Amino acid sequence: DAEITQSPRHKITETGRQVTLACHQTWNHNNMFWYRQDLGHGLRLIHYSYGVHDTNKGEVSDGYSVSRSNTEDLPLTLESAASSQTSVYFCASSEGGPDDYNEQFFGPGTRLTVL
Amino acid sequence: GENVEQHPSTLSVQEGDSAVIKCTYSDSASNYFPWYKQELGKRPQLIIDIRSNVGEKKDQRIAVTLNKTAKHFSLHITETQPEDSAVYFCAAPPGKAAGNKLTFGGGTRVLVKP
Repeated sequence: DAEITQSPRHKITETGRQVTLACHQTWNHNNMFWYRQDLGHGLRLIHYSYGVHDTNKGEVSDGYSVSRSNTEDLPLTLESAASSQTSVYFCASSEGGPDDYNEQFFGPGTRLTVL
Repeated sequence: GENVEQHPSTLSVQEGDSAVIKCTYSDSASNYFPWYKQELGKRPQLIIDIRSNVGEKKDQRIAVTLNKTAKHFSLHITETQPEDSAVYFCAAPPGKAAGNKLTFGGGTRVLVKP
């Protein structure tokens, strides 16, 4: 069955280290999104992509980067991890083009702790 | 960008009663309004959505109403059951031709007491 997966599911790292969170979907969706979830803030958009080689900044993009080299994957990189980036990270994907409003399917999440 | 506010932040109801969650948005050009449910420790999942060409949509015990003039939309859950206990998020995209990215509200934690 088609699905969206994230890895690792849990990660502990130290301040200043580079960390990459993986997101992989098998639906062949063009649209992919990264969110962080913190108590009191709901889901906040970090970066998003509408297709291969397309990336865009969301509302909380500072300190994060993404790249889209194929349809299936959108890895999220924390260039130099900070304690403020301790959070639960969700990847999501949806079908259609940039202006198609379709259901976003979320991955299981990655809990990241920065010490 | 779009600003979405959600109220209340927590809601406790007796099993069998109704629950209502309200969201307001800022961009009058927004035309798609989904609601996601997130159970404890799980991923968010879409439960219902409404587009700007309709004012109300129902799916069994849940319904969403939209008031474009006032720029608000609401989730209604009738005959609540313990399995309705979860965090609910509303969302809205930016206006037309600005992409399908979503801005989420802060969430409402619903507790259904048996």
